[in-house]
Amino acid sequence: QTVVTQEPSLTVSPGGTVTLTCTSSTGEVTSGYFPNWFQQKPGQAPRALIYATSKKHSWTPARFSGSLLGDKAALTLSGVQPEDEAEYYCLVFYGGVPIFGGGTKLTVL
Amino acid sequence: EVQLVESGGALAQPGGSLRLSCAASGFTFSSYWMNWVRQAPGKGLEWVANINEDGSEKYYVESVKGRFTIARDNAKNSVDLQMNSLRGEDTAVYYCARGTTGVPGADYWGQGNLVTVSS
Repeated sequence: QTVVTQEPSLTVSPGGTVTLTCTSSTGEVTSGYFPNWFQQKPGQAPRALIYATSKKHSWTPARFSGSLLGDKAALTLSGVQPEDEAEYYCLVFYGGVPIFGGGTKLTVL
Repeated sequence: EVQLVESGGALAQPGGSLRLSCAASGFTFSSYWMNWVRQAPGKGLEWVANINEDGSEKYYVESVKGRFTIARDNAKNSVDLQMNSLRGEDTAVYYCARGTTGVPGADYWGQGNLVTVSS
């Protein structure tokens, strides 16, 4: 069974840049797995940020960007704001089956 | 405005059943895949099931196959999750989420509905 792994936690300073990654136990994460990224704050439903590797939803702030870095999917936050402190989840599709990563807790400090 | 409102969550006994519903509005419901995603207390997200636009394709995570059934009613703009033979590990907040147009994904999410399985 495919396991999708993310950094458990990351810390970034306000105004800084941070990259979160998403890796697969079965090998390279490619665009064919349609990586998605979601933000979730405590007590709230997840909010979609990125789909199909790098496409933004109409509500996604410009400071969020998605990409592929080597064999991983990546979410980069540039010019981090205090309100970006949250849990971030990647979602990839293996053989059409959606699999979430374990999440990255991002602290802005 | 797209809205997804879940209902039906409650306390159920192990081995029992519950039916979750998700009422959709603000978009052409029959044009979208729909998903159910759950989150156990203090844990991450887990995709549970999805259904295509006309209900002819349904997919489930392995752990719920044979116990859960997803169904939709395009006339009523709703998608249901019938949960039978419930187990303690099914305890979670269940979210209804709309599929992203044209590519795999989930763009709009409901507020979530808590299902607790306990004796």
